Amino acid sequence: IAGITQAPTSQILAAGRRMTLRCTQDMRHNAMYWYRQDLGLGLRLIHYSNTAGTTGKGEVPDGYSVSRANTDDFPLTLASAVPSQTSVYFCASSDGGLAGNEQFFGPGTRLTVL
Amino acid sequence: GQNIDQPTEMTATEGAIVQINCTYQTSGFNGLFWYQQHAGEAPTFLSYNVLDGLEEKGRFSSFLSRSKGYSYLLLKELQMKDSASYLCAVTDSNYQLIWGAGTKLIIKP
Repeated sequence: IAGITQAPTSQILAAGRRMTLRCTQDMRHNAMYWYRQDLGLGLRLIHYSNTAGTTGKGEVPDGYSVSRANTDDFPLTLASAVPSQTSVYFCASSDGGLAGNEQFFGPGTRLTVL
Repeated sequence: GQNIDQPTEMTATEGAIVQINCTYQTSGFNGLFWYQQHAGEAPTFLSYNVLDGLEEKGRFSSFLSRSKGYSYLLLKELQMKDSASYLCAVTDSNYQLIWGAGTKLIIKP
């Protein structure tokens, strides 16, 4: 593994189903983030984690949950998917949550909820 | 509220120069990033400005004026591979990144 990986690459999901998007990084970064990207809108932060064992809510957390059991993994769970959660989801990490630390992004997961 | 404004789309000619502007209104300021995102791919880091002035990195330069809430990304000697979206993002007082919607740059031969 080099950098950040996400799985699955894409997924079509029936509304009401539970789904976990996986994210793993091998850079030993403290901070990790989940964003969604929709056409015409900027990246919007869903949840973040400044260090293993801690998580925080971003701009659009409703309907999503995260956990950070260790440094490398940061899964995002949709408990009961709705069509408005159709989006491209990016996981990112940085060496700390301070200013100036660039974020490195995974390749994204394209999720369609029908 | 917090707001980042960028033009939605710009067109330029191969070999030319283009300037992509970004204006911001955020709760606090702890730096401004520019990222490049090719269609269907992840954003990748281009530049970071925290002090006023111009930062040059090869064909790309980024300028910041904190008093005006303004930045631009300057791309010189444009190449076809520069066709991409360019994202402006500001670190606010909580050290969270606030993202603009991005500027889609189309390069024509």
